[in-house]
Amino acid sequence: GAGVSQSPSNKVTEKGKDVELRCDPISGHTALYWYRQRLGQGLEFLIYFQGNSAPDKSGLPSDRFSAERTGESVSTLTIQRTQQEDSAVYLCASRTHARGGTEAFFGQGTRLTVV
Amino acid sequence: GDSVTQMEGPVTLSEEAFLTINCTYTATGYPSLFWYVQYPGEGLQLLLKATKADDKGSNKGFEATYRKETTSFHLEKGSVQVSDSAVYFCALSDSASNTGKLIFGQGTTLQVKP
Repeated sequence: GAGVSQSPSNKVTEKGKDVELRCDPISGHTALYWYRQRLGQGLEFLIYFQGNSAPDKSGLPSDRFSAERTGESVSTLTIQRTQQEDSAVYLCASRTHARGGTEAFFGQGTRLTVV
Repeated sequence: GDSVTQMEGPVTLSEEAFLTINCTYTATGYPSLFWYVQYPGEGLQLLLKATKADDKGSNKGFEATYRKETTSFHLEKGSVQVSDSAVYFCALSDSASNTGKLIFGQGTTLQVKP
């Protein structure tokens, strides 16, 4: 596709369940980012991948959160034992590379609601 | 660590008013600076950027100048329109450390009334 694709667009889950969110970056983009946006808040950095380098996981809020990316393709963000405070929009973005002024392209996000 | 601070919103203006949204940053290296915009119901998109000191980014009538001495990148527009109503995010990408992390401010909501 032409843009960053995220799925599902909406997810309602029960507290305590695990969820998996998917991001398909733009083809050829080596850098991929995950952010969390709570209602009315800014973008909270979670994790970033650059090619085959070790990911920067410094923004993951707890060990319930993890993410994987195979090469320069799809990434999945997994949240285990979901809590109500995990409710947010999860945004994915990709860039051609993670340097300088290269533009980040965002997906439409996954709206996660934990009930 | 690197960070971005934006003026708090919401900002409410009448059509054709002058807009300034303040943004300051903290970075150990020499970052590239960005403004992203999120229109209602849409995803984030790049509005403008500047990659070195004294550069001016501009797009759709918006401008921002990279001021290293004041570590600022304030967004301005001379005459806002109702269609400019959106959430604006200032962001930086650190070049010197090559971490590639892209850090955003908390966003400023702009509401323009006819």
